Amino acid sequence: GNSVTQMEGPVTLSEEAFLTINCTYTATGYPSLFWYVQYPGEGLQLLLKATKADDKGSNKGFEATYRKETTSFHLEKGSVQVSDSAVYFCALSRTGRRALTFGSGTRLQVQP
Amino acid sequence: GAGVSQSPRYKVAKRGQDVALRCDPISGHVSLFWYQQALGQGPEFLTYFQNEAQLDKSGLPSDRFFAERPEGSVSTLKIQRTQKEDSAVYLCASSLYVRDASGNTIYFGEGSWLTVV
Repeated sequence: GNSVTQMEGPVTLSEEAFLTINCTYTATGYPSLFWYVQYPGEGLQLLLKATKADDKGSNKGFEATYRKETTSFHLEKGSVQVSDSAVYFCALSRTGRRALTFGSGTRLQVQP
Repeated sequence: GAGVSQSPRYKVAKRGQDVALRCDPISGHVSLFWYQQALGQGPEFLTYFQNEAQLDKSGLPSDRFFAERPEGSVSTLKIQRTQKEDSAVYLCASSLYVRDASGNTIYFGEGSWLTVV
């Protein structure tokens, strides 16, 4: 079946540090891959997505590249801010499917 | 409202009670989803509606779980005879289209936190 594995948190960084949150997946076929973010007191929001191999999704300074050979979709940001503190979820969706399969989430804490 | 609205935000139920959770999707959104999120876990798919039709209920964990969307807008998730393992956040989400997730932005509500004691 489909599954998503992401690194456990919390990840604690100082402001302006480099961020990587690892995500790997198992799926049949060629899924689409997503990163969602949940800020305190808010609902899940789509951060970025990639729909085919070697695509790079980007938004708000965050990037992730769809690596089929390593079945990975790691989230990166060059310089984090305190306002990036949130829980980040990696997710996939199989072609033609509307439902998302999520990882367990990684909490990011950025300290000033 | 501008976003997906869920009520109640917090619900404490005694084991064996029935509960009903309401979702108001974004106006005009055709697709509606329910997800269950246990503490420390990611959301897990429960069911999907296209307008009033429930097209996928493969994620409902038991026949105690029932969802409806009779007029194609507001949806209710009902849990009968609640058990402690039902304690979770129940997330509703909606999207404008019926396309698959790759081409269809899904908007999530803040969730209804259910605690069964």
